[in-house]
Amino acid sequence: KQEVTQIPAALSVPEGENLVLNCSFTDSAIYNLQWFRQDPGKGLTSLLLIQSSQREQTSGRLNASLDKSSGRSTLYIAASQPGDSATYLCAVGDSGGYQKVTFGTGTKLQVIP
Amino acid sequence: DTEVTQTPKHLVMGMTNKKSLKCEQHMGHRAMYWYKQKAKKPPELMFVYSYEKLSINESVPSRFSPECPNSSLLNLHLHALQPEDSALYLCASSQRGQGVEVRTYEQYFGPGTRLTVT
Repeated sequence: KQEVTQIPAALSVPEGENLVLNCSFTDSAIYNLQWFRQDPGKGLTSLLLIQSSQREQTSGRLNASLDKSSGRSTLYIAASQPGDSATYLCAVGDSGGYQKVTFGTGTKLQVIP
Repeated sequence: DTEVTQTPKHLVMGMTNKKSLKCEQHMGHRAMYWYKQKAKKPPELMFVYSYEKLSINESVPSRFSPECPNSSLLNLHLHALQPEDSALYLCASSQRGQGVEVRTYEQYFGPGTRLTVT
């Protein structure tokens, strides 16, 4: 059974700082990995998706990397802003045809003005 | 249009009530999902529909009954729920590609329905 862990569980940083969120998974036979953000009481917003054959994806100030063999992904946020405050979730898609997704435990980020 | 809509936004129901949650997408996605999310926990997969057929049921109690009447619509029928079923119910959809090159499966989520069972 796939298990996905995110470290740290919570993070508080001053505005403007660069930061890294970590995601670890136990079964390397994944199809893809997706990073989401979730604001309190809201749905999930997709940030980046990395296919298993890719090493990284970039979107604006966000960069996600994937090392399948070691079971790790990182989300790098450059020049953090208060609007980045949210819970960040990574989700691992298995290699099956119906895209069973296992979510990580989440990192709650607070960016202090 | 990359939007998944869910209705209602909030629902309060008693343990003897019957209610339904609705999810809709018009992105042409052929895979749709129901997730349950308890406070401060990650979403947990409940059901997956692929091409309007139930593909995955994660051992969900029968008091939750999913339905996919067409490729754009997904319902979750609720009956005789328990207070511990109170949670945020999230719907998602993704594209099931036709060839190896196209299969991205990026999931798009709706805003969720906040369910309270009294």
